[in-house]
Amino acid sequence: AQSVAQPEDQVNVAEGNPLTVKCTYSVSGNPYLFWYVQYPNRGLQFLLKYITGDNLVKGSYGFEAEFNKSQTSFHLKKPSALVSDSALYFCAVRDGSNAGKSTFGDGTTLTVKP
Amino acid sequence: NAGVMQNPRHLVRRRGQEARLRCSPMKGHSHVYWYRQLPEEGLKFMVYLQKENIIDESGMPKERFSAEFPKEGPSILRIQQVVRGDSAAYFCASSHPTGELFFGEGSRLTVL
Repeated sequence: AQSVAQPEDQVNVAEGNPLTVKCTYSVSGNPYLFWYVQYPNRGLQFLLKYITGDNLVKGSYGFEAEFNKSQTSFHLKKPSALVSDSALYFCAVRDGSNAGKSTFGDGTTLTVKP
Repeated sequence: NAGVMQNPRHLVRRRGQEARLRCSPMKGHSHVYWYRQLPEEGLKFMVYLQKENIIDESGMPKERFSAEFPKEGPSILRIQQVVRGDSAAYFCASSHPTGELFFGEGSRLTVL
């Protein structure tokens, strides 16, 4: 079984401040980890992924995420938030041992205020 | 390259009718996934298909729901005898075997 927890329903930050959106996961095999963003009435867009290699991965729009195996976490970060980053963010995990389904967290709504 | 194409974008059905949702994956992708998103909720996995095969249908309701991905043509998610609780956004995604998912814009089903 695999699962994802996003402990915060909502994250509010001021424009220009750093942001963090938290994610922890559980998977029996090798974790493949993903972040996606969803704007209103749209599909999800891929931001970044961790498969193997460096624990710090960089993705689209200046986002990055750090894989921490001991804490089973994959928090999304950005050094300086923009108002246009306001959206719904989903963390997802897949068992890398097989080409199976991705399991998503419940999502975190990020609001960046001017 | 065209992305994942879903149609219809919006579908309205009365209780008891059938809903048929279509998904064409990205070119070169042979893996298709269907997810359901209820208002104010996350994505719930429904089914994972490859051409002509259902690989994992552990998220599909046991009754009224079916999915296929034929050798030719799009993947189809079919909901028979719809009820109000079926109202949701249904998202299709495609991928290479171990890669990230590419999502369509979704089909929003409203059951009256």
